[in-house]
Amino acid sequence: DIQMTQSPSSLSASVGDRVTITCQASQDIKNYLNWYQQKPGKAPNLLIYDASNLETGVSSRFSGSGSGTDFSFTISSLQPEDIATYYCQQYNNLPFTFGPGTKVDIK
Amino acid sequence: QVQLQESGPGLVKPSQTLSLTCAVSGGSVSSGGYSWNWIRQPPGKGLEWIGYIYYSGHTYYNPSLKRRVAISTDTSKNHFSLKLTSVTAADTAVYFCVRGYGSGRFDYWGQGTLATVSS
Repeated sequence: DIQMTQSPSSLSASVGDRVTITCQASQDIKNYLNWYQQKPGKAPNLLIYDASNLETGVSSRFSGSGSGTDFSFTISSLQPEDIATYYCQQYNNLPFTFGPGTKVDIK
Repeated sequence: QVQLQESGPGLVKPSQTLSLTCAVSGGSVSSGGYSWNWIRQPPGKGLEWIGYIYYSGHTYYNPSLKRRVAISTDTSKNHFSLKLTSVTAADTAVYFCVRGYGSGRFDYWGQGTLATVSS
């Protein structure tokens, strides 16, 4: 299985801050990487697909980049409604696997 | 707008079989190009992909669960189902049914249903 790691595991930032989360795959996954946001008690919501493409209807303050084994996810200006846990997910190989998540809070 | 809704017993005894169903509306489980997935999340933990079924009937299961899991569709009812046998406390989780688009983009999720394994 491809192992996905994320850092940091949690972070606290102020409203308006730029926030970046990194995701690393244990082997080359090309650009077959998605990012999800999960709010407490809710299902995850797809934000970014194929590493850098914004899902329809998702705020443009979210962005993603990277390829191969190293990826990043950025919130350009943190808002209170962005409080959530963010997961990366690879689909280059079966079984599909997720990162452990990054919990984002407001300072 | 595609909507998915899980249903099934909230409590299952150890060694028994967990059975869940996902009703799909606004789309068809017979549609080409989509997979129908189950993903689970133990309380307070991360996400684990369980497996999928395609419209063609092709399935793939996570090797960590392969011997115990089966996913099927019922096109007449437009739903798909999960069966997980020989459950233990480690199978306690929120189970999500999810539509997969393309190869592995999970674009529509059910709200999730908590299944607790306990005697």
